[in-house]
Amino acid sequence: AQSVTQLGSHVSVSEGALVLLRCNYSSSVPPYLFWYVQYPNQGLQLLLKYTSAATLVKGINGFEAEFKKSETSFHLTKPSAHMSDAAEYFCAVSDMKTSYDKVIFGPGTSLSVIP
Amino acid sequence: GAVVSQHPSRVICKSGTSVKIECRSLDFQATTMFWYRQFPKKSLMLMATSNEGSKATYEQGVEKDKFLINHASLTLSTLTVTSAHPEDSSFYICSGLGGNTDTQYFGPGTRLTVL
Repeated sequence: AQSVTQLGSHVSVSEGALVLLRCNYSSSVPPYLFWYVQYPNQGLQLLLKYTSAATLVKGINGFEAEFKKSETSFHLTKPSAHMSDAAEYFCAVSDMKTSYDKVIFGPGTSLSVIP
Repeated sequence: GAVVSQHPSRVICKSGTSVKIECRSLDFQATTMFWYRQFPKKSLMLMATSNEGSKATYEQGVEKDKFLINHASLTLSTLTVTSAHPEDSSFYICSGLGGNTDTQYFGPGTRLTVL
């Protein structure tokens, strides 16, 4: 069974500081990994995804994540936080054996950016 | 990226009535659609997986007679909450998965309030 944990339900950073949101996964097969962002009262927007190609994945809005198999991690980073980055971030995992496979979401991390 | 719409964005109804939520893939054919429920400050809970032309597969604990799902075409899936009760109040989000993609694209969500 697959699962996702996100360390820290709430992270607060200063504007311009490094953003680091942690994600660890559990999967018995090579996983597909995703980061989604959700703004208040909106659906989810895909930030980036790992699908067994390059381990360092670059996404939209300056975010990137690195797949580390030895650590079963897929942490999300951004060098310099903007006020507009304040949102809820979800890490997700799937094994994608078929197109019917489920995506399992982590509990989410709420990011606050302090001016 | 692919676009998924939901209608309505917000709905308020009286207890005991039924509410239908539409999920449309606007620029791709979604062979599979997923319905999620999200409680305040919580992650997404998968309710059911809907494949075009066949019966939906419900997750454990989700009442299929209460949450009716129809996926009549490759661009439309509907969720009907029957005999709604206040505890059904939630944010409902759908997503679509195309045949040539390994990524779910999410709708903006529907806020259901049952009085």
